[in-house]
Amino acid sequence: DQQVKQNSPSLSVQEGRISILNCDYTNSMFDYFLWYKKYPAEGPTFLISISSIKDKNEDGRFTVFLNKSAKHLSLHIVPSQPGDSAVYFCAASEYPDMRFGAGTRLTVKP
Amino acid sequence: NAGVTQTPKFQVLKTGQSMTLQCAQDMNHNSMYWYRQDPGMGLRLIYYSASEGTTDKGEVPNGYNVSRLNKREFSLRLESAAPSQTSVYFCASSIYPGPQETQYFGPGTRLLVL
Repeated sequence: DQQVKQNSPSLSVQEGRISILNCDYTNSMFDYFLWYKKYPAEGPTFLISISSIKDKNEDGRFTVFLNKSAKHLSLHIVPSQPGDSAVYFCAASEYPDMRFGAGTRLTVKP
Repeated sequence: NAGVTQTPKFQVLKTGQSMTLQCAQDMNHNSMYWYRQDPGMGLRLIYYSASEGTTDKGEVPNGYNVSRLNKREFSLRLESAAPSQTSVYFCASSIYPGPQETQYFGPGTRLLVL
């Protein structure tokens, strides 16, 4: 059972515009949420996270929003840059369980 | 600073063969993890070691064994490989257990079981 879903396998945006990546989860017991970024032939790298007690967390160009009632989180990247082109995974955790989505491939066009 | 290293980078096995995937970290982290990633799916946790001397099952432990050799090293063993174990395997480490602790990933081992 996929408890974390990223319904968009790919997303293409123009450089300088906003990228919005979405993630839905089914388990209401998850209390911590993360986004990872992955380049080809490399391991994932941590990007940003949010606790279930918050609804927004910001780090530079990256903002994560959490809507607990909808069991939905999103990652906003503003402004998008070509170097942001990668696969983005969302993850949800109720320790020690950590579940990942299948990923969204973001392409930022110059 | 090497971070998390994994060997080998790529391996081909025949069904029934055994092998050990090696992982080492030089960040003095207490916790280490093994994940697998299959096409169209997210990473799935196989085993983890919250601290030296402990190991626990994750979401998909069947067919695997692990050894936390010391604080630096955490190996994953396939005793009798099956085609369903064809995957990319990632090792990760964090300073302490828990999702709020950033996990640092290695570059992965691509395994093909024929």
